[in-house]
Amino acid sequence: SQQGEEDPQALSIQEGENATMNCSYKTSINNLQWYRQNSGRGLVHLILIRSNEREKHSGRLRVTLDTSKKSSSLLITASRAADTASYFCATTGAGSYQLTFGKGTKLSVIP
Amino acid sequence: ETGVTQSPTHLIKTRGQQVTLRCSSQSGHNTVSWYQQALGQGPQFIFQYYREEENGRGNFPPRFSGLQFPNYSSELNVNALELDDSALYLCASSQYATGEEEAFFGQGTRLTVV
Repeated sequence: SQQGEEDPQALSIQEGENATMNCSYKTSINNLQWYRQNSGRGLVHLILIRSNEREKHSGRLRVTLDTSKKSSSLLITASRAADTASYFCATTGAGSYQLTFGKGTKLSVIP
Repeated sequence: ETGVTQSPTHLIKTRGQQVTLRCSSQSGHNTVSWYQQALGQGPQFIFQYYREEENGRGNFPPRFSGLQFPNYSSELNVNALELDDSALYLCASSQYATGEEEAFFGQGTRLTVV
């Protein structure tokens, strides 16, 4: 079963704009991770944020986590055509090691 | 490239047949997890192997089985294939079986059941 729900399901922006994707989940978590998937192939890990953290940065990526609202957001600044991909949030619960994924947001960056 | 390799990349099987998918984990990783990703969906956890033992299983029937070898490579076996088994099968390796670090995914095997 899917734990997370990404919003929006699809997003189309111009190169140079910022892209924001949201993820909501249902049960308490140990950590939340964001992954990118190009053209239905393997997933690439982007960033991990632990349940006791509120914000994390990595290059052009900024992730926030609000455990009281059971939600997270991924911001990609100054987007590039190469950022075109599907983005998934995945959670692990306390004492659990499996990743539970949402359905993903399909991002299209138009040159 | 993550260092996790899967074979084959594509496979077509007939309903009722059996299939074996293979995964070589990243060097130094002793944990392998398998995921099924249907078209337009997120990956769903099948099971995890840690040091050659099944360490947990998702909501998949027993006809989905696996193995992990002493070199930590892994196999996913699916018996009595059904049309709904058509999906991208992803293998992920990690250093520990804690879920507290990133997982490294292979490029996947796309299985089509006809």
